[in-house]
Amino acid sequence: QVQVVQSGPEVTKPGSSVKVSCRASGYTSGSYGFTWVRQAPGQGLAWMGWISAYNGDSKIEKQFQGRLLMTRETSTATAYMELKSLRSDDTAMYYCATTVEGSTGWYEKLDYWGQGSLVSVSS
Amino acid sequence: DIQMTQSPSSLSASVGDRVIITCRASQTISRYLHWYQQKPGKAPTLLIYEVSTVQRGVPARFSGSGSGTEFTLTIDSVQPEDFSTYYCQQSHTLPPTFGQGTRLEIK
Repeated sequence: QVQVVQSGPEVTKPGSSVKVSCRASGYTSGSYGFTWVRQAPGQGLAWMGWISAYNGDSKIEKQFQGRLLMTRETSTATAYMELKSLRSDDTAMYYCATTVEGSTGWYEKLDYWGQGSLVSVSS
Repeated sequence: DIQMTQSPSSLSASVGDRVIITCRASQTISRYLHWYQQKPGKAPTLLIYEVSTVQRGVPARFSGSGSGTEFTLTIDSVQPEDFSTYYCQQSHTLPPTFGQGTRLEIK
């Protein structure tokens, strides 16, 4: 049974950075991917990026290029999402989602979701 | 980017009703179309993937169909626990994009 657990809420100031972690358990190999999705208050879902747990390949949505850094740590099955130069409109719930084992592409369905990490950006 | 447009944005239904939600893509997306359910305050969950395959554990009253650019999610005999927001998502072309969501409310 795969479980995805994210780090807790963050309160930050404009211009700063935030780093959210996402730990997956229940996989027997590194053949899966992590996807980051965010949801602003009262809004819909927005795809941010994907990183392969297998080889670290990644894709980033163009609006986040230059501000978003995704990494992963294979020994702990943990992915990290760091968003820099935060603005007030980055206030959102950030979700990490993973794929079934063996499904490694950015195009895969999102099978398992973390509980979300609320990031609040305010001066 | 491929735009995904859901209709309606919200609808009211009674328990036992049949509900149909439509999702239109701005370009052909083959079968790379998935549906998610999100209950208030919770993370989304996968309902249906690749147009019509129902995720394990999802009740059989949920079904999906469509092709090309037009897709539907059908709930036969809506139950109280189905009142949620539903999102379609395409994963045919980068970046994957979601519809704006359809909020299903109790009439």
